[in-house]
Amino acid sequence: QPVLTQSSSASASLGSSVKLTCTLSSGHSSYIIAWHQQQPGKAPRYLMKLEGSGSYNKGSGVPDRFSGSSSGADRYLTISNLQSEDEADYYCETWDSNTRVFGTGTKVTVL
Amino acid sequence: EVQLLESGGGLVQPGGSLRLSCATSGFTFGTYAMIWVRQAPGKGLEWVSAIGGRGGSTYYADSVKGRFTISRDNSKNTLYLQMNSLRAEDTAVYYCARLDTSCTSNWGQGTLVTVSS
Repeated sequence: QPVLTQSSSASASLGSSVKLTCTLSSGHSSYIIAWHQQQPGKAPRYLMKLEGSGSYNKGSGVPDRFSGSSSGADRYLTISNLQSEDEADYYCETWDSNTRVFGTGTKVTVL
Repeated sequence: EVQLLESGGGLVQPGGSLRLSCATSGFTFGTYAMIWVRQAPGKGLEWVSAIGGRGGSTYYADSVKGRFTISRDNSKNTLYLQMNSLRAEDTAVYYCARLDTSCTSNWGQGTLVTVSS
């Protein structure tokens, strides 16, 4: 089954940009992933579905500041014009025929 | 608007049982696969189980296989998770979620399950 690797933390200044990486394990580089945001004390929120081509589809109400891209086995989430409410944990997720896998999450701190 | 509302969590002793429910609205429930995901205190997300739209296909994480059963009642727009032989390591917030073309697209607010004597 696929494995997703994420950095444990990232930080950036208010108004700047941050790019998070989710890396698919060997043999799974073509997989589609999803990005989810979890603000402190809240349930996760779906952000987008991201394909290996770099094409992505965002969930309802997700601000334009959030975008996705891909390169090989890497899937990226870029947050532009970082806001205080973007301070959260970000998880990537993928799936195959009978299992689903989450990355360990990246904690984003807004400085 | 898609809404998912979990209930049924609580405190249970090791070895005990609990049934979680997820009441849904805002979409045609029977046409969507659904999943359960849990999050232990201070930890990340862990997929638990999935069920197809008609309920004929079910899948489980190895950590719960043989102990948990996922089911659904499409006439009541409700998803269930029957949890038996509960262990301390099952302590977590349990979320139900809707799949849209295999992607987890909507989340409930979660219900806390605590397994402790």
